[in-house]
Amino acid sequence: DAGITQSPRHKVTETGTPVTLRCHQTENHRYMYWYRQDPGHGLRLIHYSYGVKDTDKGEVSDGYSVSRSKTEDFLLTLESATSSQTSVYFCAISHEHQGMTYEQYFGPGTRLTVT
Amino acid sequence: LAKTTQPISMDSYEGQEVNITCSHNNIATNDYITWYQQFPSQGPRFIIQGYKTKVTNEVASLFIPADRKSSTLSLPRVSLSDTAVYYCLVGDIVSRGADGLTFGKGTHLIIQP
Repeated sequence: DAGITQSPRHKVTETGTPVTLRCHQTENHRYMYWYRQDPGHGLRLIHYSYGVKDTDKGEVSDGYSVSRSKTEDFLLTLESATSSQTSVYFCAISHEHQGMTYEQYFGPGTRLTVT
Repeated sequence: LAKTTQPISMDSYEGQEVNITCSHNNIATNDYITWYQQFPSQGPRFIIQGYKTKVTNEVASLFIPADRKSSTLSLPRVSLSDTAVYYCLVGDIVSRGADGLTFGKGTHLIIQP
């Protein structure tokens, strides 16, 4: 399995509080991604990163921010959590070669509940 | 938009070959096709990737016709442990931006004894 971990694995928080999820990789892959998965919606891309300090928005980026200060870490922050952000969050990584990215490897997921 | 269409669900029996087809009419010249498998409470897992004709690995085969507007994932001799959701993706983040990572709802494959 690819060296990718997520922390925390489970979190319960209250509406209006800030939350940060961490994704850590040991593969030195350039690309990193944050998804959320909800029943009936499948996986949806929140943000992605294509290098240190290089990030871009995905399909459902509103209410989320990201940061990548080191190759190995990609942080997802909910500035003020809302109940609609209750979800399972997956981080993924992929390497890039000659202008193309290859298959993604996913972390174990973080189950976030906002009460 | 890299839209793909897959059946919502499929049923089969242990020992059978299962074929899941994905339609992608607007595939671009430089797009690869990638399939993932997801079990409950786990992240998706890469199965196979291809560009044209046929690709085979230890777990599956991928058939892509000449026009590349569809692809078929073939799982030989399935077992109960193949019950999962299967996703077809076209393109990647470099060629299509975020559109290249549209997983959709996938195909829920159920294998019965």
